[in-house]
Amino acid sequence: QSALTQPASVSGSPGQSITVSCTGTSSDVGGYNYVSWYQQHPGKAPKLMIYDVSNRPSGVSNRFSGSKSGNTASLTISGLQAEDEADYYCSSYTSSSTLYVFGTGTKVTVL
Amino acid sequence: EVQMVQSGAEVKKPGESLKISCKGSGYSFIGYWIAWVRQMPGKGLEWMGIIYPDDSDTRYSPSFQGQVTISADKSINTAYLQWSSLKASDTAIYYCARHRTGNVGGDYRHFYMDVWGEGTPVTVSS
Repeated sequence: QSALTQPASVSGSPGQSITVSCTGTSSDVGGYNYVSWYQQHPGKAPKLMIYDVSNRPSGVSNRFSGSKSGNTASLTISGLQAEDEADYYCSSYTSSSTLYVFGTGTKVTVL
Repeated sequence: EVQMVQSGAEVKKPGESLKISCKGSGYSFIGYWIAWVRQMPGKGLEWMGIIYPDDSDTRYSPSFQGQVTISADKSINTAYLQWSSLKASDTAIYYCARHRTGNVGGDYRHFYMDVWGEGTPVTVSS
């Protein structure tokens, strides 16, 4: 089971919107609505930002939203802010023997 | 407050054994699965395996099966990750996390990790 595929980097100016993609297969992203997204700042533990494709945990800004189409999930950050600069990882339940899989990670840069 | 508190940084030599810990508090420890995640230097997140503390039901990602042992002591709300013989390639930060899981038609599906520990850095060097 390979990791889910994400772009290595995405950038945007303050106030803009950006989208990070996450491509898997019908055994994970495409087959179930169990995609989640994590934010990780340097030297810090990951933080849950989106679960079950599009749900936000309490306390997470509504500037973060998630969606899915086929085998590709997406994280959109609107009104980009300096504090959003971090690494972002998607993940999903998988029916393969791996049980759970992360994406390759995307570095979001605020220009 | 729900939190996972991990043991401190470790520096070991190749061939040595190691057991790191993760203590849950602020919630019913036996009611949630706990996962371990590896992050090698400068790299991404890797899901290692998971345990249900109430009955110690444990599952491993194939990449980590036989390489590590996951265990738990529900009497002290603590999960563990251990190695019997460390290698330099085990150098990484190891995170524990509470993993939301559901039983769908008798099949456990692991959904997402909502509470994370701060991570335990492990350095293996001669």
